[in-house]
Amino acid sequence: GQQLNQSPQSMFIQEGEDVSMNCTSSSIFNTWLWYKQDPGEGPVLLIALYKAGELTSNGRLTAQFGITRKDSFLNISASIPSDVGIYFCAGQLRTGTASKLTFGTGTRLQVTL
Amino acid sequence: DSGVTQTPKHLITATGQRVTLRCSPRSGDLSVYWYQQSLDQGLQFLIQYYNGEERAKGNILERFSAQQFPDLHSELNLSSLELGDSALYFCASSGTPLGYTFGSGTRLTVV
Repeated sequence: GQQLNQSPQSMFIQEGEDVSMNCTSSSIFNTWLWYKQDPGEGPVLLIALYKAGELTSNGRLTAQFGITRKDSFLNISASIPSDVGIYFCAGQLRTGTASKLTFGTGTRLQVTL
Repeated sequence: DSGVTQTPKHLITATGQRVTLRCSPRSGDLSVYWYQQSLDQGLQFLIQYYNGEERAKGNILERFSAQQFPDLHSELNLSSLELGDSALYFCASSGTPLGYTFGSGTRLTVV
């Protein structure tokens, strides 16, 4: 099945550092979403982006919807231990009530003290 | 608690068997989505139901089927199970096309 290209695949950073990850696609999406998944749990929505060029913040998280509608990035500032987890981008295509999310390959984040 | 309830949490079954996974969406959400997450394939969209009707289909095998009932809960049926079907199966629901809420998943192990 299709997956979006997400990089980096994994990151080991120190507490307090900033993190940046991005996602690219060969297809255009209506909406870009960023999720975090903890072990044994389902993905939890962090940020949603609805318009090309949109820049949105949620606390220490900032994400942007690329102008071409084929890419997005997520930045986490001043990382803390609870930021550990797997981060997924997802592109959404919707037509009326039909909707489909295509996920990225994930970025595994490890934070050391 | 996300509000999306999936049962069972764990399931172990033998090859060739059939299982049913159940999902109760958040109150008021009309759409239910099913996703499969395996180590080598990531999160893959299987199927969407909206108010009882199939709306979108992904890479769902013919051995798999789903339905959404009048009370909006959904079931995913997996039959003739193979070792490769072992994965986490997630259900998500949404009240609008924007933003999904995922359940905690059902971990299926086929032995």
